[in-house]
Amino acid sequence: DGGITQSPKYLFRKEGQNVTLSCEQNLNHDAMYWYRQDPGQGLRLIYYSQIVNDFQKGDIAEGYSVSREKKESFPLTVTSAQKNPTAFYLCASSMERGYTFGSGTRLTVV
Amino acid sequence: GQQVMQIPQYQHVQEGEDFTTYCNSSTTLSNIQWYKQRPGGHPVFLIQLVKSGEVKKQKRLTFQFGEAKKNSSLHITATQTTDVGTYFCVHNTDKLIFGTGTRLQVFP
Repeated sequence: DGGITQSPKYLFRKEGQNVTLSCEQNLNHDAMYWYRQDPGQGLRLIYYSQIVNDFQKGDIAEGYSVSREKKESFPLTVTSAQKNPTAFYLCASSMERGYTFGSGTRLTVV
Repeated sequence: GQQVMQIPQYQHVQEGEDFTTYCNSSTTLSNIQWYKQRPGGHPVFLIQLVKSGEVKKQKRLTFQFGEAKKNSSLHITATQTTDVGTYFCVHNTDKLIFGTGTRLQVFP
């Protein structure tokens, strides 16, 4: 079945450590996105990529980095510069019309 | 930046009652999408509206796009406990601009 796979589902990290969240899709979609969701809130865009080897900053890119070396993969690194990294991170992809979301990664920084 | 506001923020209903969430933008929208997010889950695409005054139905769900393309609504008839979740309206440009969401709780 085609879809988006995010791993891990839960992630715990110590403050000051970088951490990379995985996002893989086998839908052959060109565009991929990373969103952050805080409790009781909507989704905010971190980074997006519309084609391989190209990506754009979203509304809250500070403290995050991404790469898009392959069409299928769009990993997100949460760096130590991100001041409040504890959140639910969602990856999505789209071709047109509706977006498909992964099941998310809950990151907790202690 | 563009904002898409939704009301109400929360809604608690008795099973069988109707529910409506409203979405408003200060600017004209080229389209509006609706997503449902179950508690602890991820958003799932429901529908897209693109035409002024468009109305679409999915079983007990009715979606409307305003004549001026600045507002939209989602109406659920005779809610069920499976309708629990947060409903987001979303403007799709080169990225998704999420509305603030309406959290629906249905009591049996």
